Amino acid sequence: GAVVSQHPSWVICKSGTSVKIECRSLDFQATTMFWYRQFPKQSLMLMATSNEGSKATYEQGVEKDKFLINHASLTLSTLTVTSAHPEDSSFYICSASGSGAGGFSYEQYFGPGTRLTVT
Amino acid sequence: GQNIDQPTEMTATEGAIVQINCTYQTSGFNGLFWYQQHAGEAPTFLSYNVLDGLEEKGRFSSFLSRSKGYSYLLLKELQMKDSASYLCAAMDSNYQLIWGAGTKLIIKP
Repeated sequence: GAVVSQHPSWVICKSGTSVKIECRSLDFQATTMFWYRQFPKQSLMLMATSNEGSKATYEQGVEKDKFLINHASLTLSTLTVTSAHPEDSSFYICSASGSGAGGFSYEQYFGPGTRLTVT
Repeated sequence: GQNIDQPTEMTATEGAIVQINCTYQTSGFNGLFWYQQHAGEAPTFLSYNVLDGLEEKGRFSSFLSRSKGYSYLLLKELQMKDSASYLCAAMDSNYQLIWGAGTKLIIKP
């Protein structure tokens, strides 16, 4: 299957600072990338969907000015949490779908996730 | 509206069989996914059904009935490592995944 990496795996930052999380598709062209957030013992919550070269589409209730998403290439998307607060502490997971060796697929391949703690 | 329902938690015994059910209501339908998620880790893909019937893959099988808006994931010969959450997700007409809340499966010796 396709491989998606995320960096960093975990990050601790102070309240008010910004944090950037990278999501890379290593062996396929990710035409669409998804960003999810998951709080402990809860299900995945889709934050936004981004198509390469286009502005991200944010889900209702997700502040686009706080969670900046960039998807400038077919292999890289970034999520920047601006002016982070303790309530932003969560597990952030990206996923990607697109074209690989087997052709185009709508299956989402998940990155390993980034655990953000804001102190 | 769009909705996915699956049980919150199930318990089964090592070596046994367990069936996790999922019902869905979506605007259009482009397939049903099952993912496995261990605590603290990202989901991993298990299966995809877009046609009615049973798809078997080793110890795991997934079934779909489009007319009933119903799917199940069948796990055979349960192992302790199968303890995880199992997420059901239906793809709507816009190719967006609508996620269930997940079923936490507890395996007892």
